[in-house]
Amino acid sequence: SQQGEEDPQALSIQEGENATMNCSYKTSINNLQWYRQNSGRGLVHLILIRSNEREKHSGRLRVTLDTSKKSSSLLITASRAADTASYFCATERGGVGTASKLTFGTGTRLQVTL
Amino acid sequence: AAGVIQSPRHLIKEKRETATLKCYPIPRHDTVYWYQQGPGQDPQFLISFYEKMQSDKGSIPDRFSAQQFSDYHSELNMSSLELGDSALYFCASSRQLGVSEAFFGQGTRLTVV
Repeated sequence: SQQGEEDPQALSIQEGENATMNCSYKTSINNLQWYRQNSGRGLVHLILIRSNEREKHSGRLRVTLDTSKKSSSLLITASRAADTASYFCATERGGVGTASKLTFGTGTRLQVTL
Repeated sequence: AAGVIQSPRHLIKEKRETATLKCYPIPRHDTVYWYQQGPGQDPQFLISFYEKMQSDKGSIPDRFSAQQFSDYHSELNMSSLELGDSALYFCASSRQLGVSEAFFGQGTRLTVV
Protein backbone atom coordinates (compact mmCIF):
# COMPACT_ATOMS: atom_id res chain seq x y z
CA SER A 1 0.00 0.00 0.00
CA GLN A 2 1.05 3.60 -0.42
CA GLN A 3 3.35 5.18 2.13
CA GLY A 4 1.44 8.39 1.64
CA GLU A 5 -2.24 8.23 1.02
CA GLU A 6 -4.19 11.36 0.51
CA ASP A 7 -7.77 12.27 0.77
CA PRO A 8 -9.82 13.46 -0.80
CA GLN A 9 -8.67 12.24 -4.19
CA ALA A 10 -10.47 15.13 -5.81
CA LEU A 11 -11.74 18.40 -4.42
CA SER A 12 -13.75 21.10 -6.15
CA ILE A 13 -14.26 24.47 -4.49
CA GLN A 14 -15.07 28.02 -5.42
CA GLU A 15 -12.56 30.82 -5.48
CA GLY A 16 -12.14 32.37 -2.07
CA GLU A 17 -12.95 29.20 -0.17
CA ASN A 18 -10.42 27.21 1.82
CA ALA A 19 -9.16 23.84 0.67
CA THR A 20 -7.98 21.14 3.05
CA MET A 21 -6.13 18.05 1.95
CA ASN A 22 -5.03 15.23 4.21
CA CYS A 23 -2.18 12.78 4.01
CA SER A 24 -1.54 9.64 6.02
CA TYR A 25 1.60 7.58 6.11
CA LYS A 26 2.77 4.35 7.69
CA THR A 27 6.39 4.53 8.80
CA SER A 28 8.52 6.91 10.81
CA ILE A 29 9.78 9.89 8.88
CA ASN A 30 12.37 12.65 8.97
CA ASN A 31 10.13 15.13 7.30
CA LEU A 32 7.02 15.45 5.22
CA GLN A 33 6.79 17.66 2.18
CA TRP A 34 3.98 18.93 0.04
CA TYR A 35 4.32 19.38 -3.68
CA ARG A 36 2.12 20.84 -6.34
CA GLN A 37 1.89 19.63 -9.91
CA ASN A 38 0.13 21.26 -12.79
CA SER A 39 -1.04 18.81 -15.40
CA GLY A 40 1.89 17.19 -17.19
CA ARG A 41 4.40 19.47 -15.56
CA GLY A 42 7.13 19.04 -12.97
CA LEU A 43 6.46 18.95 -9.26
CA VAL A 44 7.00 22.15 -7.37
CA HIS A 45 7.98 22.08 -3.74
CA LEU A 46 5.57 23.98 -1.49
CA ILE A 47 6.53 23.39 2.09
CA LEU A 48 8.54 21.03 4.30
CA ILE A 49 7.68 20.17 7.87
CA ARG A 50 10.11 18.26 10.02
CA SER A 51 9.08 15.41 12.26
CA ASN A 52 9.62 17.53 15.38
CA GLU A 53 7.38 20.33 14.11
CA ARG A 54 3.62 20.41 14.47
CA GLU A 55 2.59 23.32 12.30
CA LYS A 56 4.10 25.50 9.64
CA HIS A 57 2.90 28.43 7.59
CA SER A 58 3.95 29.80 4.25
CA GLY A 59 1.83 32.52 2.73
CA ARG A 60 -1.65 31.09 2.21
CA LEU A 61 -0.45 27.59 3.09
CA ARG A 62 -0.73 25.99 6.49
CA VAL A 63 0.61 22.51 7.14
CA THR A 64 0.10 20.44 10.24
CA LEU A 65 1.83 17.23 11.21
CA ASP A 66 0.67 14.72 13.78
CA THR A 67 3.32 12.05 14.12
CA SER A 68 1.27 10.09 16.65
CA LYS A 69 -1.45 9.66 14.05
CA LYS A 70 1.01 9.61 11.15
CA SER A 71 -0.95 12.23 9.33
CA SER A 72 -0.57 15.68 7.86
CA SER A 73 -2.90 18.25 6.43
CA LEU A 74 -2.42 21.04 3.93
CA LEU A 75 -4.73 24.02 4.13
CA ILE A 76 -4.87 26.54 1.32
CA THR A 77 -6.73 29.65 2.39
CA ALA A 78 -8.58 32.07 0.13
CA SER A 79 -8.12 29.81 -2.86
CA ARG A 80 -7.63 31.16 -6.36
CA ALA A 81 -8.29 29.66 -9.76
CA ALA A 82 -4.52 29.49 -10.21
CA ASP A 83 -4.35 27.03 -7.30
CA THR A 84 -5.97 24.42 -9.54
CA ALA A 85 -3.47 21.55 -9.61
CA SER A 86 -2.69 18.19 -8.08
CA TYR A 87 -1.18 18.24 -4.63
CA PHE A 88 1.06 15.47 -3.33
CA CYS A 89 2.48 14.77 0.05
CA ALA A 90 5.84 13.05 0.19
CA THR A 91 7.58 11.51 3.16
CA GLU A 92 11.30 11.30 3.56
CA ARG A 93 13.37 8.96 5.68
CA GLY A 94 17.08 8.53 6.06
CA GLY A 95 19.78 10.33 7.99
CA VAL A 96 22.00 13.29 7.23
CA GLY A 97 24.84 12.23 4.99
CA THR A 98 22.87 9.40 3.49
CA ALA A 99 20.34 9.40 0.77
CA SER A 100 17.01 7.75 0.77
CA LYS A 101 13.92 8.55 -1.19
CA LEU A 102 10.87 10.69 -1.17
CA THR A 103 7.78 8.53 -1.21
CA PHE A 104 4.81 10.21 -2.77
CA GLY A 105 1.17 9.76 -1.98
CA THR A 106 -1.59 9.38 -4.52
CA GLY A 107 -2.35 13.06 -4.70
CA THR A 108 -5.39 15.27 -4.42
CA ARG A 109 -6.67 16.92 -7.55
CA LEU A 110 -7.90 20.41 -6.61
CA GLN A 111 -10.21 22.34 -8.90
CA VAL A 112 -10.90 25.96 -8.02
CA THR A 113 -13.71 27.53 -9.98
CA LEU A 114 -14.62 31.19 -10.39
CA ALA B 1 18.37 30.63 -10.22
CA ALA B 2 19.47 27.45 -11.94
CA GLY B 3 16.98 24.61 -11.87
CA VAL B 4 17.14 20.92 -12.62
CA ILE B 5 17.53 20.41 -16.34
CA GLN B 6 16.25 17.32 -18.07
CA SER B 7 16.73 16.33 -21.65
CA PRO B 8 15.13 15.59 -23.91
CA ARG B 9 11.74 17.00 -22.99
CA HIS B 10 9.93 14.61 -25.30
CA LEU B 11 11.02 11.30 -26.72
CA ILE B 12 9.26 8.84 -28.97
CA LYS B 13 10.67 5.35 -29.28
CA GLU B 14 9.51 2.08 -30.72
CA LYS B 15 9.11 -1.12 -28.74
CA ARG B 16 12.37 -2.90 -28.00
CA GLU B 17 14.40 0.24 -28.63
CA THR B 18 16.69 1.91 -26.12
CA ALA B 19 16.32 5.35 -24.59
CA THR B 20 18.67 7.51 -22.55
CA LEU B 21 17.35 10.30 -20.38
CA LYS B 22 19.65 12.92 -18.95
CA CYS B 23 19.44 15.00 -15.80
CA TYR B 24 21.57 17.96 -14.75
CA PRO B 25 21.02 18.72 -11.06
CA ILE B 26 21.20 22.09 -9.43
CA PRO B 27 24.84 23.03 -8.79
CA ARG B 28 26.18 21.81 -5.45
CA HIS B 29 23.30 19.40 -4.98
CA ASP B 30 24.67 16.03 -3.94
CA THR B 31 21.61 13.83 -4.43
CA VAL B 32 19.69 12.89 -7.53
CA TYR B 33 16.41 10.99 -7.70
CA TRP B 34 14.61 9.48 -10.67
CA TYR B 35 10.84 9.05 -10.69
CA GLN B 36 8.38 7.59 -13.16
CA GLN B 37 4.84 8.94 -13.39
CA GLY B 38 2.28 7.14 -15.50
CA PRO B 39 -0.89 8.87 -16.70
CA GLY B 40 -3.04 9.78 -13.71
CA GLN B 41 -0.59 8.08 -11.35
CA ASP B 42 1.54 9.35 -8.50
CA PRO B 43 5.28 9.58 -9.00
CA GLN B 44 6.98 6.24 -8.41
CA PHE B 45 10.53 6.20 -7.14
CA LEU B 46 13.02 4.45 -9.37
CA ILE B 47 16.51 5.09 -8.03
CA SER B 48 18.64 7.66 -6.22
CA PHE B 49 22.29 8.61 -6.07
CA TYR B 50 24.19 10.32 -3.30
CA GLU B 51 27.62 11.67 -4.06
CA LYS B 52 27.76 9.65 -7.30
CA MET B 53 27.02 6.36 -5.58
CA GLN B 54 23.75 4.52 -5.97
CA SER B 55 21.93 5.03 -2.74
CA ASP B 56 18.47 3.56 -2.94
CA LYS B 57 16.51 1.56 -5.43
CA GLY B 58 12.78 1.45 -5.91
CA SER B 59 10.57 -0.18 -8.48
CA ILE B 60 13.09 0.07 -11.29
CA PRO B 61 12.88 -2.73 -13.87
CA ASP B 62 16.02 -4.71 -14.61
CA ARG B 63 15.86 -3.31 -18.14
CA PHE B 64 16.63 0.11 -16.70
CA SER B 65 19.94 1.29 -15.35
CA ALA B 66 21.22 4.61 -14.16
CA GLN B 67 24.40 6.26 -13.10
CA GLN B 68 25.68 9.55 -11.81
CA PHE B 69 28.82 10.95 -13.34
CA SER B 70 31.74 12.90 -11.89
CA ASP B 71 30.08 16.20 -12.80
CA TYR B 72 26.96 15.01 -10.90
CA HIS B 73 24.76 14.74 -13.95
CA SER B 74 22.81 11.52 -14.17
CA GLU B 75 21.54 9.34 -16.97
CA LEU B 76 18.71 6.84 -16.96
CA ASN B 77 19.15 4.14 -19.58
CA MET B 78 16.12 2.15 -20.62
CA SER B 79 16.44 -0.87 -22.88
CA SER B 80 13.98 -3.24 -24.54
CA LEU B 81 11.31 -0.60 -24.21
CA GLU B 82 7.75 -1.71 -23.69
CA LEU B 83 4.49 0.13 -24.28
CA GLY B 84 4.02 0.31 -20.52
CA ASP B 85 7.18 2.35 -20.15
CA SER B 86 5.36 5.32 -21.64
CA ALA B 87 5.33 7.90 -18.86
CA LEU B 88 6.75 11.11 -17.55
CA TYR B 89 10.19 10.62 -16.08
CA PHE B 90 11.26 13.16 -13.52
CA CYS B 91 14.63 13.85 -12.08
CA ALA B 92 15.02 15.72 -8.83
CA SER B 93 18.00 16.95 -6.92
CA SER B 94 18.59 18.01 -3.37
CA ARG B 95 21.39 18.91 -1.07
CA GLN B 96 22.22 16.93 2.05
CA LEU B 97 19.17 14.76 1.82
CA GLY B 98 17.11 14.49 4.95
CA VAL B 99 17.19 18.18 5.70
CA SER B 100 16.09 19.87 2.52
CA GLU B 101 13.51 19.69 -0.16
CA ALA B 102 13.92 18.13 -3.58
CA PHE B 103 13.73 20.25 -6.70
CA PHE B 104 12.23 18.63 -9.74
CA GLY B 105 12.98 19.06 -13.40
CA GLN B 106 10.21 19.52 -15.95
CA GLY B 107 10.40 15.87 -16.87
CA THR B 108 10.91 13.85 -20.01
CA ARG B 109 7.78 12.53 -21.64
CA LEU B 110 8.58 9.15 -23.12
CA THR B 111 6.16 7.62 -25.56
CA VAL B 112 6.75 4.06 -26.68
CA VAL B 113 4.89 3.08 -29.84
